[in-house]
Amino acid sequence: DIQMTQTPSSMPASLGERVTISCRASQGISNYLNWYQQKPDGTIKPLIYYTSNLQSGVPSRFSGSGSGTDYSLTISSLEPEDFAMYYCQQYDSSPPTFGAGTKLELK
Amino acid sequence: QVQLKESGPGLVQPSETLSLTCTVSGFSLTSYGVNWVRQPPGKGLEWMGTIWNDGSTDYNSALKSRLSISRDTSKSQVFLKMNSLQTEDTAIYLCARDVWGVMDAWGQGASVTVSS
Repeated sequence: DIQMTQTPSSMPASLGERVTISCRASQGISNYLNWYQQKPDGTIKPLIYYTSNLQSGVPSRFSGSGSGTDYSLTISSLEPEDFAMYYCQQYDSSPPTFGAGTKLELK
Repeated sequence: QVQLKESGPGLVQPSETLSLTCTVSGFSLTSYGVNWVRQPPGKGLEWMGTIWNDGSTDYNSALKSRLSISRDTSKSQVFLKMNSLQTEDTAIYLCARDVWGVMDAWGQGASVTVSS
């Protein structure tokens, strides 16, 4: 199985700050990398698919990049609703696997 | 709009079988796959398995011997059955629609506690 290592596990940040979350795969995943947001009530929402494509309705302050084994999610200017958990997920090979998550917290 | 909703018993006895239903609306099960994913308390997401639009299935090898996913397309329902439950199977169980490897719509989740 492909292991996904997500860093940091938690990140205190301020409103308006630019933040980046990283995800490293144990082997190359050819850009088959998605990002999801989980709110405190448990609701999960897809943000980005295939490394850098924004899901419909996702604000443009979210962006994704990467290649090979290293990927990242960037939020350009934090809004109050962005404080949540974020997960990366690879779908290059079965089983699809998730990173352990990054908790974005208000500083 | 696309919706998924999980339902099932909140409490299951150890060694018993878990049965969950995911009822979908806004799309057809013959056009999209549906994944089951679980999340133990305070932990991350684990993919359990997928039933594809053609009815074929894929399972996480760690769970394959205990897990079965099926569907009733006429009722727009997907079923999960997992036997020999243990306390470590306590989790939120979620279903999610699959679009070419992207889980683009999720249910709210069903909380399952394994305890005597």
